[in-house]
Amino acid sequence: DIQMTQSPSSLSASVGDRVTITCRASQSISSHLNWYQQKRGNAPKLLIYAASSLQSGVPSRFSGSGSGTDFTLTVSSLQPDDFATYYCQQTYSTPHFGQGTRLEIK
Amino acid sequence: QITLKESGPTLVKPTQTLTLTCTFSDFSLSTSGVGVTWIRQPPGKALEWLAVIYWNDDKRYSPSLRSRLTIIEASKNQVVLTMTNMDPVDTATYYCAYTNYGSGSSSYWGQGTLVTVSS
Repeated sequence: DIQMTQSPSSLSASVGDRVTITCRASQSISSHLNWYQQKRGNAPKLLIYAASSLQSGVPSRFSGSGSGTDFTLTVSSLQPDDFATYYCQQTYSTPHFGQGTRLEIK
Repeated sequence: QITLKESGPTLVKPTQTLTLTCTFSDFSLSTSGVGVTWIRQPPGKALEWLAVIYWNDDKRYSPSLRSRLTIIEASKNQVVLTMTNMDPVDTATYYCAYTNYGSGSSSYWGQGTLVTVSS
């Protein structure tokens, strides 16, 4: 199994802040990395696929980068709607999610 | 508009077999590159990937749950997941999702169904 480690596990930030969440794979996964946003009580929503491709309809303030073992999700200017939990997912081998990063309002 | 909806029992007893149905619309599992994935989430915990079935009947399972899971295409718009020997630790919200073979990403999700395992 390829394990995914997200950091931080939780994060407090303010509206307008630039925020970066990191995901590290236990071995190289090329660019087989997706990012999801989940709000309490709702199903996850795909934000980024293949490490850096923005899913249709997702605001451009979200971006993804990285390859190999280290990946980042960046929100350029936090909006009130962005406070949620974020998960990375590797699909290089049997898919596996990270443990999640909870983004809270400061 | 692609939609998916999970259905099945809300309560199962330990050792019983869980059968969940994902009913979907506006796509076909016979279209190249299309798959349906099952994911679960215990209350307050992270997402856990369970299984996927692709258009070509390629099926993949979580290694840790492989012996307990079966995924099938039950009809032209339904995918069924069975999980044997249910335990209280299997209590979770179970989701099905439309999945792209190339990226493995799931771009449409059902609302989820909460399954509680208790005697």
